[in-house]
Amino acid sequence: GDSVTQMEGPVTLSEEAFLTINCTYTATGYPSLFWYVQYPGEGLQLLLKATKADDKGSNKGFEATYRKETTSFHLEKGSVQVSDSAVYFCALGNNAGNMLTFGGGTRLMVKP
Amino acid sequence: GAVVSQHPSWVICKSGTSVKIECRSLDFQATTMFWYRQFPKQSLMLMATSNEGSKATYEQGVEKDKFLINHASLTLSTLTVTSAHPEDSSFYICSAGGRTSGYNEQFFGPGTRLTVL
Repeated sequence: GDSVTQMEGPVTLSEEAFLTINCTYTATGYPSLFWYVQYPGEGLQLLLKATKADDKGSNKGFEATYRKETTSFHLEKGSVQVSDSAVYFCALGNNAGNMLTFGGGTRLMVKP
Repeated sequence: GAVVSQHPSWVICKSGTSVKIECRSLDFQATTMFWYRQFPKQSLMLMATSNEGSKATYEQGVEKDKFLINHASLTLSTLTVTSAHPEDSSFYICSAGGRTSGYNEQFFGPGTRLTVL
């Protein structure tokens, strides 16, 4: 079945550091890929998405590229801020687009 | 667009009582809604999928008599935790299935934190 694996946290960075959170997936067909962010005590917010191979999703300085050859969707940001501290979830949407499979989440802590 | 609300945002109840959580899609009609449970520092666990006008489909290991789901309209689904116990304390998140830019996706509510004393 479908699965998503993302790097375990917590990831602790200093402000303005470069961020990479790895995400790989296993799926049949042509899934969509998503990154969600969860701030403390809140629900999930969609951060970015890509619906087909080689698509790059981007938002708020974050970006991720759908790499079918490596089955990856790594999240990157060139310069993190303290306000980026949150838990990030990589997710895979099935072909029909109505079911999501989540990774375990990666907690990011950015220190001033 | 694609806003999903949950009510209440948090609730504290005594053991043995029932608690109802509402999930509403505010600006679109959702034929499918999803209920997730999230334990501290863990990922989301899908509990059930509900389709408007039909019975919910529960994931393996989720007690349907414990977690009653009703999806009576295209904009409202409810989760009732019956005879709640402390082990039911958790963060419950709903999502509504919608379509943007030609693709199906889920839109998440802000979550409801349930604490059972």
